[in-house]
Amino acid sequence: DARVTQTPRHKVTEMGQEVTMRCQPILGHNTVFWYRQTMMQGLELLAYFRNRAPLDDSGMPKDRFSAEMPDATLATLKIQPSEPRDSAVYFCASGLGGWGSDTEAFFGQGTRLTVV
Amino acid sequence: RKEVEQDPGPFNVPEGATVAFNCTYSNSASQSFFWYRQDCRKEPKLLMSVYSSGNEDGRFTAQLNRASQYISLLIRDSKLSDSATYLCVVNSLSGGATNKLIFGTGTLLAVQP
Repeated sequence: DARVTQTPRHKVTEMGQEVTMRCQPILGHNTVFWYRQTMMQGLELLAYFRNRAPLDDSGMPKDRFSAEMPDATLATLKIQPSEPRDSAVYFCASGLGGWGSDTEAFFGQGTRLTVV
Repeated sequence: RKEVEQDPGPFNVPEGATVAFNCTYSNSASQSFFWYRQDCRKEPKLLMSVYSSGNEDGRFTAQLNRASQYISLLIRDSKLSDSATYLCVVNSLSGGATNKLIFGTGTLLAVQP
């Protein structure tokens, strides 16, 4: 049963520390999304990639967040330095998409981040 | 103004009731539309796509009104297992790039026995 795998599932860290979240998309999917979910804001799109190239990261605070796809089987989201307001659930999702075509996004189980 | 807006609820309904959720979107160039379902402390999952002509899947009916930029989801004969958050999702165009999926904040449904 193909699924998106995210690690770690839970992370508690101190303010100022670097946090790295990892995502393994479903094999063969060419689109990867990173979302952040909080009670107040809901699901916010941080960044997304097509064929490993970043297409849009306008939703991501550039000064502390970075997203990369070193290869087709791994996407990473880093926060450095982390702040308490970064506490949220971070979801990775993958899908098959192309210009003008629909994409169903399959979500991983999320990384629940707490910054103290 | 958020690009996709939903009534957050909660909607508390008895089993067997019919309930309707609404959603509006601001980008008139949006191409495609979806409803996702998210259970408590779980990841969102696709419930159904929304087509211009309207579409039905069992007890669920989705409608799209492009002129009013409005999407709806109707659930008939609600079950306890329908209790979840329902997320309206719009495929938004961004500088010509497609597949930028924008989520509403979700509507919480609680079906009571």
